[in-house]
Amino acid sequence: NAGVMQNPRHLVRRRGQEARLRCSPMKGHSHVYWYRQLPEEGLKFMVYLQKENIIDESGMPKERFSAEFPKEGPSILRIQQVVRGDSAAYFCASSTGAGINQPQHFGDGTRLSIL
Amino acid sequence: DAKTTQPNSMESNEEEPVHLPCNHSTISGTDYIHWYRQLPSQGPEYVIHGLTSNVNNRMASLAIAEDRKSSTLILHRATLRDAAVYYCILRDADGANNLFFGTGTRLTVIP
Repeated sequence: NAGVMQNPRHLVRRRGQEARLRCSPMKGHSHVYWYRQLPEEGLKFMVYLQKENIIDESGMPKERFSAEFPKEGPSILRIQQVVRGDSAAYFCASSTGAGINQPQHFGDGTRLSIL
Repeated sequence: DAKTTQPNSMESNEEEPVHLPCNHSTISGTDYIHWYRQLPSQGPEYVIHGLTSNVNNRMASLAIAEDRKSSTLILHRATLRDAAVYYCILRDADGANNLFFGTGTRLTVIP
């Protein structure tokens, strides 16, 4: 049973470039969450998606960041015109449902470094 | 989501039990208590959750106080692989679907 798969594991970009992070949820999971962990800090929620819908993007920066979870294929977190402050570990999680007794299963993250 | 309070760090000797405390004095009647842990360079890992009764699974046990204002995650026999940051998280029916990670407890296991 494959867990949550994130790729790439490491991504290096220069300032001003675009970063695309991919997340394939566990089989049968239709709920996806993205979190960001800045160096030496805790994880912070960014966005919650179900297939083809953004449910909650209250933690997402208003500019340069977008997320999608198409009907087919992985969820994508896109960061346009990256800046040094975007350097962080980005984690994706998935669950079977949105209930509060539903665990979220995490991938091992994408570590984004901005030169 | 109601807030939780955990010690910043704890140490345990290998093969001994570990009791990780969490205070949540403002917990409401419908809040679930969840525990996750994050090993170095990995994503968080679900450990256990409960509402009122104590819970056991293959990873750990969760002891919930009768008034639910505190809980304790019990690792019955610590191994070096259990060295991680442990997060106690409350989830309520009226809250957001996301998890709120505080600072957690960094557990060091001494060989």
